[in-house]
Amino acid sequence: RKEVEQDPGPFNVPEGATVAFNCTYSNSASQSFFWYRQDCRKEPKLLMSVYSSGNEDGRFTAQLNRASQYISLLIRDSKLSDSATYLCVVNKAGRRALTFGSGTRLQVQP
Amino acid sequence: AAGVIQSPRHLIKEKRETATLKCYPIPRHDTVYWYQQGPGQDPQFLISFYEKMQSDKGSIPDRFSAQQFSDYHSELNMSSLELGDSALYFCASSSTRVLRYTEAFFGQGTRLTVV
Repeated sequence: RKEVEQDPGPFNVPEGATVAFNCTYSNSASQSFFWYRQDCRKEPKLLMSVYSSGNEDGRFTAQLNRASQYISLLIRDSKLSDSATYLCVVNKAGRRALTFGSGTRLQVQP
Repeated sequence: AAGVIQSPRHLIKEKRETATLKCYPIPRHDTVYWYQQGPGQDPQFLISFYEKMQSDKGSIPDRFSAQQFSDYHSELNMSSLELGDSALYFCASSSTRVLRYTEAFFGQGTRLTVV
């Protein structure tokens, strides 16, 4: 079983839709959590960190449930430019080794 | 703002040759990470350095070695290259003096093709 698991998708949604991605992690020692987005053949780009209290950045909302070892990302009012692969990333306490999920592909259609 | 710089961007090598990839982290970042991403795969952690010392090791083959220099730039050395080493190699950097929320920023990557 992978340490960080994501639904690979693809999620095909129309512009303006709300879409949610889920991620589970297996190591309870995990301390830091992030969402990155990656466009085809490009580098991963930090979308947002995920805090215990949940956090929002414009159309993006991230939630963390430590008890269930579950992270989510909600995208509201999807834009064509949101089409990308969304990577859930976890770091264990005391380590400098970010672990990536396999990513969820989002395709926003006109 | 300055970003992570990797060189070269593209590299073509023959089997059994060696390759050296370079990474220049964001100024004042103390941690460098190396990742390998094969086609259709997620980035796999290879190795990290903190303040020029090796910090953590992932799935780095014995044929690969890496180091971080006094100016904080890092190099990934790859020997006896195999076809399966063809991949995107990313370097990332972060500031991890306080280990919480270690946001890492990635360079544009080096695309290595072994023929």
